[in-house]
Parts: sequence; structure tokens; C-alpha cells
Amino acid sequence: GAGVSQSPSNKVTEKGKDVELRCDPISGHTALYWYRQSLGQGLEFLIYFQGNSAPDKSGLPSDRFSAERTGGSVSTLTIQRTQQEDSAVYLCASSITGRGEQYFGPGTRLTVT
Amino acid sequence: RKEVEQDPGPFNVPEGATVAFNCTYSNSASQSFFWYRQDCRKEPKLLMSVYSSGNEDGRFTAQLNRASQYISLLIRDSKLSDSATYLCVVKRGNQGGKLIFGQGTELSVKP
Repeated sequence: GAGVSQSPSNKVTEKGKDVELRCDPISGHTALYWYRQSLGQGLEFLIYFQGNSAPDKSGLPSDRFSAERTGGSVSTLTIQRTQQEDSAVYLCASSITGRGEQYFGPGTRLTVT
Repeated sequence: RKEVEQDPGPFNVPEGATVAFNCTYSNSASQSFFWYRQDCRKEPKLLMSVYSSGNEDGRFTAQLNRASQYISLLIRDSKLSDSATYLCVVKRGNQGGKLIFGQGTELSVKP
């Protein structure tokens, strides 16, 4: 079946602009995660959605970052007023439940100029 | 200090060599442990979970020492296709599905 998909695969934006990144999880997976991977920082957790529970936003680096998950499926990560330090690969993952194996999407490479 | 620490490498080994990666974690609340593999410019993929009794999957053996908060991965008879970055990953018992990643250890297997 289809894996986790993300769009766009690459995004170049100017400093100060807003960007939206999209994630389509594997069908039937109730848990969805956002991570980012930047040079020198490794992979870091951003936010976690599990079913209808309140999301775990503990990894969001600032209030410029927000995410939503509509209808328990597709998720959008929004970064407002982008900064150069936001440049990274943003990875989405999903799992059947919060305890299951996480399957990662191919990521969105964000470059802020 | 990072919560999950790994030697970044790179480890350059010839085909057929045995190579071992080590990882330490600092949070005693960590309850689940994994090794992920990440190829260059690709997403991470689960290689294997790590169990307290140690576990093996073909040429790969993972060990966990909870007392020392130490995890290892041993690759025997390494292949060219094993070249990748190996990520040590932990999950805390009280924090849902959130994964905490080490920086990764780069492995390059040469002919």
C-alpha cells in the first residue's frame, strides 16, 4: 500500500514569508508525528497527534510553528515569518497507534534565503 | 549534553568486517529502544527494536544494558549495502510515541 507522503518535496522561501508543509499519513494510522532534521542538530521531535487527544506540542521551537490535523488524517505544519535557522528537512511519520512502529515520509527540504 | 549520544564516526570498514556501534542515553524513564537506518538524503527506516535480553536479526545483533543506560549494535560480515547512518533511538514510557534520536553514526563499507 501507499506509504506516508509529504508535499512539497522541496521548498525555497524568503526570510519572513509563511510556509505550509503537508503530510498524508498511511491510511488507518491514528498517530502522526512531525520531526525536523538539520545539520548539526540531528532529528528532533516537533509535535505528535494521537486520535482525538490534544496534541503533544512540546517540541515546537517557537510560537511561529503550528500544526493541525484535520479529520484525523492529513496534517499541515505551518511556519510563520520564516527565519534562516528554520532551514531543515521536515519529516512526517505515522503509526497505527502511539506505540507502533513509525513509518517516515520522504520529507520536505525547506530552504529559507 | 544530548539525551542520546552516539559516536558520529565515520566508521570506514572493508567488506566482511565486523563493526560495533555504541549509544548511551541519559533519561532513566526511557523504556523502548531502537536502531534506525538512514541512507543519504532519505528518510529513516526501522532496522530493529532492542530488547532487554538482546536480539539478533541475521547479521545484526542489538544489546541493551539498562543499568549502564547503554545500547549497542553489532554488524557482522558487513556488505557494501550496509553503508548508511545508523540512528540510536529511545522512547520514554510516559511520553506517547515521541522518539528521541541520537545524532547517528555514519558507516562506510568499502570493497
